Amino acid sequence: AQKVTQAQTEISVVEKEDVTLDCVYETRDTTYYLFWYKQPPSGELVFLIRRNSFDEQNEISGRYSWNFQKSTSSFNFTITASQVVDSAVYFCALGEAAGNKLTFGGGTRVLVKP
Amino acid sequence: GAGVSQTPSNKVTEKGKYVELRCDPISGHTALYWYRQSLGQGPEFLIYFQGTGAADDSGLPNDRFFAVRPEGSVSTLKIQRTERGDSAVYLCASSPYGGTNTGELFFGEGSRLTVL
Repeated sequence: AQKVTQAQTEISVVEKEDVTLDCVYETRDTTYYLFWYKQPPSGELVFLIRRNSFDEQNEISGRYSWNFQKSTSSFNFTITASQVVDSAVYFCALGEAAGNKLTFGGGTRVLVKP
Repeated sequence: GAGVSQTPSNKVTEKGKYVELRCDPISGHTALYWYRQSLGQGPEFLIYFQGTGAADDSGLPNDRFFAVRPEGSVSTLKIQRTERGDSAVYLCASSPYGGTNTGELFFGEGSRLTVL
């Protein structure tokens, strides 16, 4: 069975601080996909990134960066120089290679204070 | 609008009643998903449609839950004999293709169901 664990339930930072969100996953599949989604107060999940299990390159997109380490089954997400607009709940998710569903973690609420 | 639209945004009902939740996906998206999100938790998969057919309904919790997509566009999630435990936000998502290996899902804002 697939499982995603986000151990941090809530993180509070002051604007301009960096914040790292942890994600640990479990799967028996050799091919799988990892995702991060952002859920602002409006409730709509917004896609941030998709990574397949064969690509362990770290990725940077603006103030966002992702660290994928297959050896530790982790896919961590860092927001650099956080802003108030980054306040949201962030979900890590795991997708089956041949399937159709995502398994989500419990989410981490990020609160960025001005 | 251009995004996924869900109605109603809020629904309050009494235990034992029947409810329908509607999803209008992004035009042209063949894949449609329903997820359920309980308070403080991540979304849980319910069902996936590819076109008109339910390609994967393994997440439906029991036979009180049913979903249709008769014309391959709009979908309706139907819940019979509602129970208090059904209270959650029901999220709909669509995608141009289908399957988790094809990219991002576009989510709606959800329908919040409260069963009294």
